[in-house]
Amino acid sequence: QKEVEQNSGPLSVPEGAIASLNCTYSDRGSQSFFWYRQYSGKSPELIMFIYSNGDKEDGRFTAQLNKASQYVSLLIRDSQPSDSATYLCAVLSSNTGKLIFGQGTTLQVKP
Amino acid sequence: EAGVAQSPRYKIIEKRQSVAFWCNPISGHATLYWYQQILGQGPKLLIQFQNNGVVDDSQLPKDRFSAERLKGVDSTLKIQPAKLEDSAVYLCASSPFGTGSAYGYTFGSGTRLTVV
Repeated sequence: QKEVEQNSGPLSVPEGAIASLNCTYSDRGSQSFFWYRQYSGKSPELIMFIYSNGDKEDGRFTAQLNKASQYVSLLIRDSQPSDSATYLCAVLSSNTGKLIFGQGTTLQVKP
Repeated sequence: EAGVAQSPRYKIIEKRQSVAFWCNPISGHATLYWYQQILGQGPKLLIQFQNNGVVDDSQLPKDRFSAERLKGVDSTLKIQPAKLEDSAVYLCASSPFGTGSAYGYTFGSGTRLTVV
């Protein structure tokens, strides 16, 4: 089982729709979770982090965490073509303190 | 504040040749990371420095990869000899915090290595 798993996609949504990106993790002791956005040919950029169960909202982005199910998600409301990118889920390992990345989900927002 | 600087931006070498990458972290950031990102995959940590000491190099292929961070500032990552499977983007990141914290993780623009 991979430490951090994401569906590689691509996930295609129409402009203005809600995009839902999902991530599961294996380390039950993990406490810190991150979402990075990576445009093609660019480096990852931190867009959200979450530590507590429930939802965290920042503008059009909402991160959701369910530690019991070992599941974290990212919702993007009113998706724009500029949101088209690969979204990387990252989990801070409770054992090693390392940031473990999933393989990323490619999002395509079509005008 | 200036970001994490990396060079070169691109590098093409033949297999069995050697190559070196350079990283200059954000001023004052104690922790420096080197990640390898193969096309279609997420970044994989190769080595983590805290100031000029190595914290974690468990996933660094030490038979061919080496890294150093002299004086706790700049860092270089070297591959010798390179293999085809080393083709990837090498990302440097820095953080003002120590081990176990991903706050303020800032990535450089990366070096895209192609081994032919």
